[in-house]
Amino acid sequence: GENVEQHPSTLSVQEGDSAVIKCTYSDSASNYFPWYKQELGKGPQLIIDIRSNVGEKKDQRIAVTLNKTAKHFSLHITETQPEDSAVYFCAASKGYGNKLVFGAGTILRVKS
Amino acid sequence: NAGVTQTPKFQVLKTGQSMTLQCAQDMNHNSMYWYRQDPGMGLRLIYYSASEGTTDKGEVPNGYNVSRLNKREFSLRLESAAPSQTSVYFCASSQDRSPSNQPQHFGDGTRLSIL
Repeated sequence: GENVEQHPSTLSVQEGDSAVIKCTYSDSASNYFPWYKQELGKGPQLIIDIRSNVGEKKDQRIAVTLNKTAKHFSLHITETQPEDSAVYFCAASKGYGNKLVFGAGTILRVKS
Repeated sequence: NAGVTQTPKFQVLKTGQSMTLQCAQDMNHNSMYWYRQDPGMGLRLIYYSASEGTTDKGEVPNGYNVSRLNKREFSLRLESAAPSQTSVYFCASSQDRSPSNQPQHFGDGTRLSIL
């Protein structure tokens, strides 16, 4: 089955710097790659997603890139702010049924 | 804007007790899911329901049962709780349109401790 690996497990950046989180997946048939942000005591919230027919997608300070050949995708956060501090999860899925396989998560700390 | 509502938010059980976790969504979504979240392991799918009247096993179904009561509600039952089931449980829903995948919307979780 699908396996998703996520790195790093923790990431500390200064406010205003950029943060990059990387994920690799094993199943070349996966075609949907969402990113979720989880704040303390809350459920994960979708922040951006990308499908296999697109190489890059941006939404204000957040961008995701996908390399299908290498089977990896990355989350880029620019101009980080303290409120970006949270746990971020990547995931991969294929086909109907929408079964998502999650990475183990990255704890992002933005220091002011 | 309720979205996905889970009850209870916290629960402590003794080994061997039974319990049902409740989940309801008000977004008219077809698909619903139960995950468990353990430290360092991300979220793992326990069971899912692609549509009303259907349920299927996920990655870690042992020790759990589910019921899709209607389109809105999807419950998770622990028949005989074990300490290994101590976890945070999340319910999610999505509006699937085959063959595309659609975003999943999560509740805020049930924190379950089994002594």
